[in-house]
Amino acid sequence: GAGVSQSPSNKVTEKGKDVELRCDPISGHTALYWYRQSLGQGLEFLIYFQGNSAPDKSGLPSDRFSAERTGGSVSTLTIQRTQQEDSAVYLCASSLEVGGLAKNIQYFGAGTRLSVL
Amino acid sequence: SQELEQSPQSLIVQEGKNLTINCTSSKTLYGLYWYKQKYGEGLIFLMMLQKGGEEKSHEKITAKLDEKKQQSSLHITASQPSHAGIYLCGAVITQGGSEKLVFGKGTKLTVNP
Repeated sequence: GAGVSQSPSNKVTEKGKDVELRCDPISGHTALYWYRQSLGQGLEFLIYFQGNSAPDKSGLPSDRFSAERTGGSVSTLTIQRTQQEDSAVYLCASSLEVGGLAKNIQYFGAGTRLSVL
Repeated sequence: SQELEQSPQSLIVQEGKNLTINCTSSKTLYGLYWYKQKYGEGLIFLMMLQKGGEEKSHEKITAKLDEKKQQSSLHITASQPSHAGIYLCGAVITQGGSEKLVFGKGTKLTVNP
């Protein structure tokens, strides 16, 4: 596609339910990133994929959070047993891998706004 | 860990006025991104700066990277309501064997017509 696509754009769920957020990166981008944007917290890094592998999961806040990427393309971020503090905008970004971020622009999707009631 | 501080946190200007937003890093900057975000939208890429002293312009927006001061500035000339939004700076860091961006908390810009 022309840009990074995320779905759903909005998700309202009840506390304790599981949710899945989807990211479709720009075609040909091998690097994929998930961030979380909370009110007053700014943008926090969650996880980074290089192809289908995740060499850096350091930002995942708890073991309720997991992510996978298949076919070097679509990624899914799963939050199990959601809590109210999980409410935030979840943003996905992708970039070309060669040369790294100092040379390759990181493009963002519009995000998924998650509300946990 | 590297931290970015943006100033001011919010800014209200009259249409037509010039303004500057600053981004100061706790460590040396090796790559600095500027993004703009509007409510309900993702981050829109504005500019990326790599070298000390580098300056880039796009339309009425100019960004400069000053490595000696570990600082970048974003300057908007003759502001318009379309410039309103949240401006975010992001620094490239290497941590845990991978590169990622760390972001400032943003500067909210309001332009009154």
